[in-house]
Formats: sequence, structure tokens, C-alpha cells
Amino acid sequence: EAGVTQFPSHSVIEKGQTVTLRCDPISGHDNLYWYRRVMGKEIKFLLHFVKESKQDESGMPNNRFLAERTGGTYSTLKVQPAELEDSGVYFCASSHAVGTGTYEQYFGPGTRLTVT
Amino acid sequence: RKEVEQDPGPFNVPEGATVAFNCTYSNSASQSFFWYRQDCRKEPKLLMSVYSSGNEDGRFTAQLNRASQYISLLIRDSKLSDSATYLCVVNLGAGSARQLTFGSGTQLTVLP
Repeated sequence: EAGVTQFPSHSVIEKGQTVTLRCDPISGHDNLYWYRRVMGKEIKFLLHFVKESKQDESGMPNNRFLAERTGGTYSTLKVQPAELEDSGVYFCASSHAVGTGTYEQYFGPGTRLTVT
Repeated sequence: RKEVEQDPGPFNVPEGATVAFNCTYSNSASQSFFWYRQDCRKEPKLLMSVYSSGNEDGRFTAQLNRASQYISLLIRDSKLSDSATYLCVVNLGAGSARQLTFGSGTQLTVLP
């Protein structure tokens, strides 16, 4: 079974530019999460999709961040315009559907974003 | 106060040693608990889930004390391959999928 995949693995952009990160969850996983780790800090939650619906976006830092999951499959996270403090590693995770009793989250390899 | 606090580390131990990590969480409503390991510049990987009074998986034993809001991880007979950062993680949800809250991690280096 393929794991969570993310693209790109690295991105270096200038302040003010736009970047779009993509996440493909494990097939059949209805729950998809975005997390971020900035340097020197712990991993922090950004938002949670159940299928195509945003279940919880309480961790999104501001309106420069836009996440979508059209069709309930892959998800994109767009940062526009990027600021220096957006630099970090963005992880995506997925878990089984609600009701299966298994909620362990499996993480993708992350996208390392550097804003210069 | 951080929601999940861990031993600061780093822990440097010889091969074959037993090492224990501790973690406390502040939200008494937390329902499920995990240990993840993270290798340098890699993603967190689930090591163990800790659901009730604790569980064992080979050389790894996790314990949970809900009254004290305390979780531990014991690694016996340490291997070089155990070198990694160990993340204590809690989840408010038990019957539903919810966001994870991470500790800052404890770095372990197993020395030959």
C-alpha cells in the first residue's frame, strides 16, 4: 500500500510569491491533515479535512493560507503571498474514516519551504 | 505552559542500555496517546499507540497514567538504529478523528 505522498519535496521562493503544496493521502483515508514545523518549534496542526469538507481549520495562521480538497482525494495548500515566517516543513497526514475505530495518523515526507 | 511537555534530552546511551522518556500533557480531556519517532529531516513515524494502561511491542513499552496526565516510553536493549527523536503526541478524540498535539521531542543517540 502506498503511503502519503507530498510534492514538492523542497521549494525555495521569494517573499511575496505564491507556492502551492500538494498532498496525496493513503487510498481510502477520508481524514487528511496539514501540519507545520517551523525551526526550533514543535509540529503544529493547521487544518483537518474529512473527505472534501474542512472539519477544523483552527490552526491556520492567517488568510494567506488556503487549503482545498476538491473531490475528497488529494489536497493542496496554497500560500499567497508568502512571508519569511512561513518557512518550515509542511507535513500532511491521513487516517482511516470515522467509525472504523482506527485513528492513527500516517505522515507524508513533508515539503520543506524556504522563503527568502 | 506547553500542552505536551517532554524531557529535553539529548539522551546519549551505549548499545544495550535501557532508556526511559517521560511526557506530561495539560489537557485532561485528551483521549488517545502516541509515541512517534522522527529521523533527521524525515517525517514522524508512528511507533506505538497508548490507549489504556499501556502496552508493549518488543523492546518498547509505553505506559499511561491518566490521573497524573503522564506518559512514558521505555526502550530496552537499545540498538544503534533506535537513534532518533521521539515525539510524545496526544489527541483529544477517542471516538472521532481529531488533530494531534505534539511535544517538542527528545533526541536519543545510541552509541556503539
